[in-house]
Amino acid sequence: QSALTQPASVSGSPGQSISISCAGTSSDIGSYDLVSWYQHHSGRAPKLIIYQVTKRPSGISGRFSGSRSGNTASLTLSGLRAEDEADYYCCSYASSGTLVFGGGTKVTVL
Amino acid sequence: QVRLLQSGTEVKKPGSSVKVSCKSSGDTFNNYLIAWVRQAPGQGLEWMGGIIPMFDTPTYAQKFQDRVTITADTSTRTVSMELISLRSEDTAVYYCARIPHHYTSGSQRPSHFDTWGQGTLVTVSS
Repeated sequence: QSALTQPASVSGSPGQSISISCAGTSSDIGSYDLVSWYQHHSGRAPKLIIYQVTKRPSGISGRFSGSRSGNTASLTLSGLRAEDEADYYCCSYASSGTLVFGGGTKVTVL
Repeated sequence: QVRLLQSGTEVKKPGSSVKVSCKSSGDTFNNYLIAWVRQAPGQGLEWMGGIIPMFDTPTYAQKFQDRVTITADTSTRTVSMELISLRSEDTAVYYCARIPHHYTSGSQRPSHFDTWGQGTLVTVSS
């Protein structure tokens, strides 16, 4: 059982926007600005797409955006494209001193 | 651009041990946290532990504390992860990843995984 809770799957049509939630607690997401998101295509290494809640690494499309409200973080993908189909993981620093992951969300482009 | 290059695929018997290495191509290796994350078939990502090479003090996830050892060799810019008493449930892809720190809430804290190795498949089977 993962420390952070994500929906198992989210789907959308090309061009649409979707959001993925990531529920944590006051010991992780709620207390630190250290939420990150990763895109993971099967057979490849995970790829950082959002860090410190809202920041995008160089080279990551502006179609990806992050936010947080209380103990829940969210990733929004706008202008959905076929290549966005992948698994997405949230991650947060926790008061235990480690980084904890969500269980992952499979994004399907219809 | 820093790259992390991991050792190759391993096939092990139950009860044995495995050691996976992760070599950094860049010279900003010593003061980052280098962590190990695994993904079992059909499962999500799981933090195992990490080490800051210049301090040489590893931290481990509670789940793996009794079976994992993470070491660093600054002369070769290599971090290694050894897992003992292997069982079938340890079959997974093991990744090393670099973690920068960020000053927040009064202290430097691990922030995010900004660079990943290519992954090493470890299969445990009799």
